[in-house]
Amino acid sequence: GAGVSQSPSNKVTEKGKDVELRCDPISGHTALYWYRQSLGQGLEFLIYFQGNSAPDKSGLPSDRFSAERTGGSVSTLTIQRTQQEDSAVYLCASSPTHGYNSPLHFGNGTRLTVT
Amino acid sequence: AQTVTQSQPEMSVQEAETVTLSCTYDTSESDYYLFWYKQPPSRQMILVIRQEAYKQQNATENRFSVNFQKAAKSFSLKISDSQLGDAAMYFCAYQDRNQGGKLIFGQGTELSVKP
Repeated sequence: GAGVSQSPSNKVTEKGKDVELRCDPISGHTALYWYRQSLGQGLEFLIYFQGNSAPDKSGLPSDRFSAERTGGSVSTLTIQRTQQEDSAVYLCASSPTHGYNSPLHFGNGTRLTVT
Repeated sequence: AQTVTQSQPEMSVQEAETVTLSCTYDTSESDYYLFWYKQPPSRQMILVIRQEAYKQQNATENRFSVNFQKAAKSFSLKISDSQLGDAAMYFCAYQDRNQGGKLIFGQGTELSVKP
């Protein structure tokens, strides 16, 4: 079956512009995560959606970052007024159920470059 | 707060030889999961192996095995009979039930395999 799909694969934008990154999770997966991977770094948690519950936004680095998940499926991560330090790979993952011992299935990520 | 540390930024192994990647973590929880993920140049994170903290027996998946030392909070990955396709970034990750499905990742180890 289809895996987690992210688009675009690569995005180059000018400093100060807004960008939207899209994630299509595996069908039926109730949990969805966004992570950021800066060059040479590990994965930094950004935000987590589970069903109709309020999202866990504890990892968002600033109020320029926001995300939504419509209809419990597709998610969009929005970065407003992009800065050069926002350059990174943004990875999305989904899992079949909430929580513990629910393996995460990752997409191929979106590489964002802010010039 | 829980942390995961991978002290080896880079490792190298000869094809067909064995290599061990190190990971330590810090937590006050007694019930948790530990994971190793592989990230090839395609950027997709692939689950290699996982270990539940309550299981004393070390997990094994074909050529991949772990050495889980709970008291020492150590979780190393051993790759036997290394193959060229094993070359990738390897990330150690931690998960506990208090954080739902959220994974906490180490900084990663880049493994190269020499023919």
